[in-house]
Parts: sequence; C-alpha cells; structure tokens
Amino acid sequence: GAVVSQHPSRVICKSGTSVKIECRSLDFQATTMFWYRQFPKQSLMLMATSNEGSKATYEQGVEKDKFLINHASLTLSTLTVTSAHPEDSSFYICSARQGVGQPQHFGDGTRLSIL
Amino acid sequence: DAKTTQPPSMDCAEGRAANLPCNHSTISGNEYVYWYRQIHSQGPQYIIHGLKNNETNEMASLIITEDRKSSTLILPHATLRDTAVYYCIVRVTQAGTALIFGKGTTLSVSS
Repeated sequence: GAVVSQHPSRVICKSGTSVKIECRSLDFQATTMFWYRQFPKQSLMLMATSNEGSKATYEQGVEKDKFLINHASLTLSTLTVTSAHPEDSSFYICSARQGVGQPQHFGDGTRLSIL
Repeated sequence: DAKTTQPPSMDCAEGRAANLPCNHSTISGNEYVYWYRQIHSQGPQYIIHGLKNNETNEMASLIITEDRKSSTLILPHATLRDTAVYYCIVRVTQAGTALIFGKGTTLSVSS
C-alpha cells in the first residue's frame, strides 16, 4: 500500500535552532501534502496544506514565517521550524494523498523537543 | 464536512469483537465515512471508508445505517495491538482539503 516516510523521527535541539523535517511519498506522486501538529493528549491539528510548485496554505493562527513549507517535487515536502523555542515542542505529522478520491496516508511523525 | 460524535473511550477484551460507534446525523449525500486509528506515538493509519454500503477489508468492517446518520466500525477479533485512538471522519471524498480530526475514541484492549 501507499507509504509516507517522515524523517527524522525524533529531534532534540537547543532553543533558537532551525529544524527541517522531510516528508516523502515512497510509491506514489503527491501533488498535495498536509502538515499536522499534535500536542500531548490532544488530537491532530492541521497546520498547512502544501501544494507542489506553489505556496503553502496555512491554517489560521499558524505563522507562515515560523513554519516554512517547501514542496519542490511530487514526492517531497519539507517543514522547517525556524528559530524554534520550547513552545514549538510537539509531534509533527505529515500526510499525502495519492489522488482525488484516495485516502490520506500519514507518516510516522517527528517528535520535536526544544530545550 | 459534517460533524461526528464518538464516545471518548471504550474497553474490549482480547479476542472479542470491538464495536466502535460514530454519530454523523448531519451527513450529506456526497460525504463518505472514513475511519483512521492512531497508535501511541505513531501517525494515523487508514482503516476503511464507505458511502452507504457496508464495507469489509482485512482490518475491519464498516456498518453504515440505512439513513446514514450513524456507523459502526467493527474489529472482529481485537488484539492488544488494536489499542489506539480511533477517529471517525466524514468528508466529501473528491475534496482536495485535509482530513480534520476530532477527539476520537480511545479503545483499550486488555487480556
């Protein structure tokens, strides 16, 4: 079945560091990918929609200058958390859909811890 | 997308069937019912989806009432590895927008 790979699975870094998370669709092309964030004991919250070759669409309250999204190819989207602070510590999950009418598939998430 | 209501938690004995209900009374004619689950510290996993007919795959069965206002996900023989948060989501399948997750049902399977 469709597989979405996310890397790294865990990051621990100092406050002020920028962190890049990669999301790849391994066996299909994804014109659209999605980025979610999940805090402990809460549900997934959609952060942004990433479209190949165009600017991402951010949900209300998500700072686009803080969370940079690049979707340069049909199989790769990246999320960069710039100048990360402890409050950015969270579980970040990417998702991709093979095509219209197909289910969304999810990566295994990246646990980001900012000290 | 129509709103869904799920019980916050359920328990199930290992080997027994787990029946997870979902209410979606405002569902419209072109909206599908999707089920995902999230095992602790992992990304959500697609389980099954359906429009109005009952569906079955290797993971589960989905029973949708005739009026489509509710559905039940059935795990026929629950195992400890089925312990997870189960999300019922209603959406138009042709939509290009992302899935929106509610709080789901935490299923605890015990031996």
